Amino acid sequence: AQTVTQSQPEMSVQEAETVTLSCTYDTSESDYYLFWYKQPPSRQMILVIRQEAYKQQNATENRFSVNFQKAAKSFSLKISDSQLGDAAMYFCAYRRNGGATNKLIFGTGTLLAVQP
Amino acid sequence: NAGVMQNPRHLVRRRGQEARLRCSPMKGHSHVYWYRQLPEEGLKFMVYLQKENIIDESGMPKERFSAEFPKEGPSILRIQQVVRGDSAAYFCASSPGGAEGYTFGSGTRLTVV
Repeated sequence: AQTVTQSQPEMSVQEAETVTLSCTYDTSESDYYLFWYKQPPSRQMILVIRQEAYKQQNATENRFSVNFQKAAKSFSLKISDSQLGDAAMYFCAYRRNGGATNKLIFGTGTLLAVQP
Repeated sequence: NAGVMQNPRHLVRRRGQEARLRCSPMKGHSHVYWYRQLPEEGLKFMVYLQKENIIDESGMPKERFSAEFPKEGPSILRIQQVVRGDSAAYFCASSPGGAEGYTFGSGTRLTVV
């Protein structure tokens, strides 16, 4: 069975600094997607970034980028120039490509605080 | 496009009552997923439905929980005879299918008193 592990329950960063959130996963599949979702206090799940396993190039979205290490099964999120609005719970998620279901498997989350 | 609509946003039920959570997917989306988030935890998959069909219910508790997505109308997650342990946030997501990504609703927070 696939699992997703986030080993940092809480992280803190100064405004304008850079922070990296860690995620590891376990799967025997070769074709899959990895995601980072942001959940602010409003509870809305917001997609931050997505990585396709067959793409070697790391995904980037403005201030958000990932370090995808397929052999190590590691998928960390880097937030540059942190802003107060980045404070939220961040979830790493895995989804197998193909098959009968598109279910997401989530980690337990990292609560990010941004200090002014 | 109104996005994925879930209602109610908050629901309080006494132990033993029934809870009905509704989810209207985005326009054009025929795939619906339900997830449960217990306090201090990540989201856990419950069930995946297409119109009038349950595709994967591997995450649904065996008793008291059921889900449907009729031809017309929203998807419904139904919890019978609720217990305190059912207190959680329940999220719905929809997709057009295939490898396309999900869009999540804002969730329903169920509190059982």
